[in-house]
Amino acid sequence: DIQMTQSPSTLSASVGDRVTITCRASQSISTWLAWYQQKPGKAPKLMIYRASTLETGVPSRFSGSGSGTEFTLTISSLQPDDFATYYCQHYDNYSPNTFGQGTKLDIK
Amino acid sequence: QVQLVQSGAEVKRSGASVKVSCKTSGYRVSTYGITWARQAPGQGLEWLGWISANNRNTQYAPRFQGRITMTTDTAANTAYMELRSLTSDDTAIYYCARVLPAGAIPWGQGTLVTVSS
Repeated sequence: DIQMTQSPSTLSASVGDRVTITCRASQSISTWLAWYQQKPGKAPKLMIYRASTLETGVPSRFSGSGSGTEFTLTISSLQPDDFATYYCQHYDNYSPNTFGQGTKLDIK
Repeated sequence: QVQLVQSGAEVKRSGASVKVSCKTSGYRVSTYGITWARQAPGQGLEWLGWISANNRNTQYAPRFQGRITMTTDTAANTAYMELRSLTSDDTAIYYCARVLPAGAIPWGQGTLVTVSS
């Protein structure tokens, strides 16, 4: 099975900072990667799909990149609403759709 | 608009089974697949599996194979996830979501399943 490894596990940052979260796949997944945001007590929210396509309504300060085994989620200028936990997920119809272990983004 | 509404919280004894429902509105459950995930208290998301739109194909996470079943009832526009032989490790919030080529969107509100010994 494909393993997804996120880093860091926790990230402390301030409003206005630029932050990057990394997700590595144990084998090539092309661009079959999604990023989700989850706030406490809420269901996950799709932010980016196919590694770099912004879901409708997601602010343009979010961006995704990568292919194969290395992926990044970047927030260009952190806003108060962005403090949450972020998960990457490999998804397709042929193998287990594994989540990364999550990155908690909190206020410094 | 598209919504997935899940059944209410459940409390089960160890060894029992639970069946969580996920009623769709705003689209037909026969047109897109449904995926299920769970989140234990204070932990990350864990993918459980998915069922295809035509109800013919299922794929389960290997560690749940043999004790999980996903189905859909197209007449009721509802998807179901049944987990058997529960242990305290299965205490979690269980989520369903519609599967699009873009990923899982939207998600249900979650169903808390508590397993007590």
